[in-house]
Amino acid sequence: DGGITQSPKYLFRKEGQNVTLSCEQNLNHDAMYWYRQDPGQGLRLIYYSQIVNDFQKGDIAEGYSVSREKKESFPLTVTSAQKNPTAFYLCASSITGTGSVRAFFGQGTRLTVV
Amino acid sequence: GNSVTQMEGPVTLSEEAFLTINCTYTATGYPSLFWYVQYPGEGLQLLLKATKADDKGSNKGFEATYRKETTSFHLEKGSVQVSDSAVYFCALSNPPRPGGGFKTIFGAGTRLFVKA
Repeated sequence: DGGITQSPKYLFRKEGQNVTLSCEQNLNHDAMYWYRQDPGQGLRLIYYSQIVNDFQKGDIAEGYSVSREKKESFPLTVTSAQKNPTAFYLCASSITGTGSVRAFFGQGTRLTVV
Repeated sequence: GNSVTQMEGPVTLSEEAFLTINCTYTATGYPSLFWYVQYPGEGLQLLLKATKADDKGSNKGFEATYRKETTSFHLEKGSVQVSDSAVYFCALSNPPRPGGGFKTIFGAGTRLFVKA
């Protein structure tokens, strides 16, 4: 089955440590995205990538980094510079053609800083 | 810039009640509009979509009509069930720009509680 896989589902991190969240898709989509979801808030875009080896900052990129070395993979690193990293992180992918563009989402990773 | 505004929740209804969740948008051009649903403990799923004015998206008894004149995409269901309890996100996606990208913009989400 095609889809997006995020891992792990739950992640605990000590304060001051960097941590990388995995996102893999086998849908052959060019575009991939990382969103953050906080209680009572909507999704906020962290980073997105339209094509391999290229990515752009979203609305809340500070304290995060990404890479896009392969079409299938778009890992997100939450650095120690991120002041409030505890949140639910969602990865998504989509095509980049014209017309209707819908996003496919992973199951999410819940990150807790302890 | 583009934006999506949803009614604030939570919305609490009894089973079989009529549901409306308002969504309005601001966008340049002709975006596609979507409703996504997030059930407790799960990721987001596409519920329905509409790609042009006057299109009606429908799925699982939910409907939404793309109203360009009022820039709205309100979600409706005639008779809700307990299993519809979830968070609903309205979203828009503008067409790709030449040489550039696009992104999906989400509303804040509206939590729905349905009581038996």
